[in-house]
Amino acid sequence: QQQVKQSPQSLIVQKGGISIINCAYENTAFDYFPWYQQFPGKGPALLIAIRPDVSEKKEGRFTISFNKSAKQFSLHIMDSQPGDSATYFCAAVVDDMRFGAGTRLTVKP
Amino acid sequence: SQTIHQWPATLVQPVGSPLSLECTVEGTSNPNLYWYRQAAGRGLQLLFYSVGIGQISSEVPQNLSASRPQDRQFILSSKKLLLSDSGFYLCAWSKKSNQPQHFGDGTRLSIL
Repeated sequence: QQQVKQSPQSLIVQKGGISIINCAYENTAFDYFPWYQQFPGKGPALLIAIRPDVSEKKEGRFTISFNKSAKQFSLHIMDSQPGDSATYFCAAVVDDMRFGAGTRLTVKP
Repeated sequence: SQTIHQWPATLVQPVGSPLSLECTVEGTSNPNLYWYRQAAGRGLQLLFYSVGIGQISSEVPQNLSASRPQDRQFILSSKKLLLSDSGFYLCAWSKKSNQPQHFGDGTRLSIL
């Protein structure tokens, strides 16, 4: 049972553009929402995370927007760079962590 | 700071052979430990998790087993590998179940 739905599956963005990845969850008990970045041949690395008591969190070019009533959250990558090309996973946590299916981002120079 | 080690990085095994993948964590005590499998271009499938020595929970029935002989050591095993066991195996740790997980760099397993 997929508890976190992530879209799109793949995304192509031009250098300098904004990348947006969306996730939706079902279980209202989730209380922590991390995003992971994975490069080929490497394990996922924690990128940024948010708790549901805030609507937005920004770290450098990465921003999480959180809509508790809609049970949705999204990752925005501003000024996208070719080095951002990776697979991104959203996740939701309560007693355990449930991952989205992943989004493969390609940033073209 | 905490670090997680997985080895080997790559492994090629014949069908029917045994398997042992090892994961160790440094810099923390009594971590939660996890084994995931990731098929090519796919998401993360949780295989096993452990909240303490000798305590293993299995998420999916399969040809694999896990053991935790020491606090910071997690082992993934199989007695006889199948072709379908090929994939990218990732170990992860967290301080508690409701806190973020931190991943190792994985083992690429190919079954011939």
